[in-house]
Amino acid sequence: QITLKESGPTLVKPTQTLTLTCTFSGFSLSTSGVGVGWIRQPPGKALEWLALIYWNDDKRYSPSLKSRLTITKDTSKNQVVLTMTNMDPVDTATYYCAHRYGDYGVDIWGQGTMVTVSS
Amino acid sequence: DIQMTQSPSTLSASVGDRVTITCRASQSISSWLAWYQQKPGKAPKLLIYKASSLESGVPSRFSGSGSGTEFTLTISSLQPDDFATYYCQQYNSYPLTFGQGTKVEIK
Repeated sequence: QITLKESGPTLVKPTQTLTLTCTFSGFSLSTSGVGVGWIRQPPGKALEWLALIYWNDDKRYSPSLKSRLTITKDTSKNQVVLTMTNMDPVDTATYYCAHRYGDYGVDIWGQGTMVTVSS
Repeated sequence: DIQMTQSPSTLSASVGDRVTITCRASQSISSWLAWYQQKPGKAPKLLIYKASSLESGVPSRFSGSGSGTEFTLTISSLQPDDFATYYCQQYNSYPLTFGQGTKVEIK
């Protein structure tokens, strides 16, 4: 059974850097074709894809946020980390990590973690 | 970026109704489209992948069709548990993009 869980701060100040960790089980990020991504959702708004990292360390980013995002993986710990610099109140959202594999697309999601940006 | 446009934004329906939601892509995405259901305070749940393949465990009243730029999600007989917001997502190319969502409300 595949599960993912996000962790990180619930409150960050403007201009600070956000670091979120996705800890997963039930699959390995060293298996060919597997990826883990991040998606966010501001309150009452639609989903927005942020970044994705694959088993071979191929990394993909949202062009509009690329300069602020870094995604890394620690295969031995079954973790993926997303950092987002220069946080702003508009970045207030629920942040989800999710499993990506082949034809299924993004198929299994974590429960999400709410991050508020406020001074 | 490929833009995904869903219609309608809101849909009012009754239990037992047949419901259809449309998703249009700004350019061809072949069949690389997924549909998700999201309930308040919960993560999205995959319903359909590759435009028409039903995810394991999803009731057969859900079906997807289409290819290229036009896609539909159909619920053949709406059940109380189906009142939720539905999103389409293309995974043909990066950046991955979502539609703006369709909220299915009780009529």
